[in-house]
Amino acid sequence: ETGVTQTPRHLVMGMTNKKSLKCEQHLGHNAMYWYKQSAKKPLELMFVYSLEERVENNSVPSRFSPECPNSSHLFLHLHTLQPEDSALYLCASSQEAGGSWTGELFFGEGSRLTVL
Amino acid sequence: SQQGEEDPQALSIQEGENATMNCSYKTSINNLQWYRQNSGRGLVHLILIRSNEREKHSGRLRVTLDTSKKSSSLLITASRAADTASYFCATIHNTNAGKSTFGDGTTLTVKP
Repeated sequence: ETGVTQTPRHLVMGMTNKKSLKCEQHLGHNAMYWYKQSAKKPLELMFVYSLEERVENNSVPSRFSPECPNSSHLFLHLHTLQPEDSALYLCASSQEAGGSWTGELFFGEGSRLTVL
Repeated sequence: SQQGEEDPQALSIQEGENATMNCSYKTSINNLQWYRQNSGRGLVHLILIRSNEREKHSGRLRVTLDTSKKSSSLLITASRAADTASYFCATIHNTNAGKSTFGDGTTLTVKP
């Protein structure tokens, strides 16, 4: 296993379903992120976890619920989504030390979500 | 807004030519980074330039940073068809710990 792994790569769900996206990083990093990438829009930062604590929550609707059980795993729980939530969801990790954020991100391949 | 803005939005060149992409941002930064994304895939980090640096090289990549103009450029020399991808700049500053803010990206097409 290398880098950052995301599963599933593709997900189709109805608006009433509950599903989860999973991310695992094998780089020994201490920070993990969820980004949303929609067509013709810049990447939107959704959540940041540093040392397993959420440090950033960018006004994301409550139908998205993150979970970081340890520094290697990150989940995004999805429920009652809307069609406009269809996008590529990217997980990333980074190693931050001494309060200094270099910001170099290592991304997974993404989970392509389609909400019907 | 801290958001970077790249231009052009799309660039099409012949193999062997150089490709230049620009990024502008609005507030002071700690560093600026360039990423590449192949269609439908994750982003790959290319190069980081700190606010006290003016130019950086990595292989066929050359990045410049002008903090007075709040702009950066990415030059890819001797382009190859495999360079076809979207390129994004991302800015970060310590007051927004962990928050890389991405631009809209430049889509580069290199024709063989």
